[in-house]
Amino acid sequence: GDSVTQMEGPVTLSEEAFLTINCTYTATGYPSLFWYVQYPGEGLQLLLKATKADDKGSNKGFEATYRKETTSFHLEKGSVQVSDSAVYFCALPRAGGTSYGKLTFGQGTILTVHP
Amino acid sequence: ETGVTQSPTHLIKTRGQQVTLRCSSQSGHNTVSWYQQALGQGPQFIFQYYREEENGRGNFPPRFSGLQFPNYSSELNVNALELDDSALYLCASSHDRSSGANVLTFGAGSRLTVL
Repeated sequence: GDSVTQMEGPVTLSEEAFLTINCTYTATGYPSLFWYVQYPGEGLQLLLKATKADDKGSNKGFEATYRKETTSFHLEKGSVQVSDSAVYFCALPRAGGTSYGKLTFGQGTILTVHP
Repeated sequence: ETGVTQSPTHLIKTRGQQVTLRCSSQSGHNTVSWYQQALGQGPQFIFQYYREEENGRGNFPPRFSGLQFPNYSSELNVNALELDDSALYLCASSHDRSSGANVLTFGAGSRLTVL
């Protein structure tokens, strides 16, 4: 079935460092791809999305490009801030039937940014 | 506009007991999806409710059941609780089958501990 794999292990960076969180997917066809973020004590919220191959999603300085050749959707930010400390999830719609609102998530990547 | 609210925020049960979790969807949203997030893992899709009927289910046994009410709020019921049911239960609302239907608004979750 469709699945998402995120890079393992927490990521710890200093403020203003460059961030990359890897995400690869397995899917039939070319589904929309999403990054959701979970700040401490809060629910998940959509960070950015891309609906077709070669699209670039962007929001709050974060970017991710839908690469069908490498089945990847890596999250990047040029200069992280302490406030970016959170858990980041890559996701795609579940396969089969009416998939709206039904997502398959990666295992999440914990980002900690130190001043 | 109000977001998604869930109750209770925390609860402790013992094996074999039953639990009911509640969710009020975001204003204007008519679809509610429930997810289970085990510690250190990504959310796993349990089921979705649309127009007061179940509209898709993930790989969860029948002792996980739900309801949706005319005001679009929802309940998740779990019978015969097992230790592995300990998790954060997330409710997410969205607006039916529009192109934005995968833009989910999540609540902060209900943390269930089964002893």
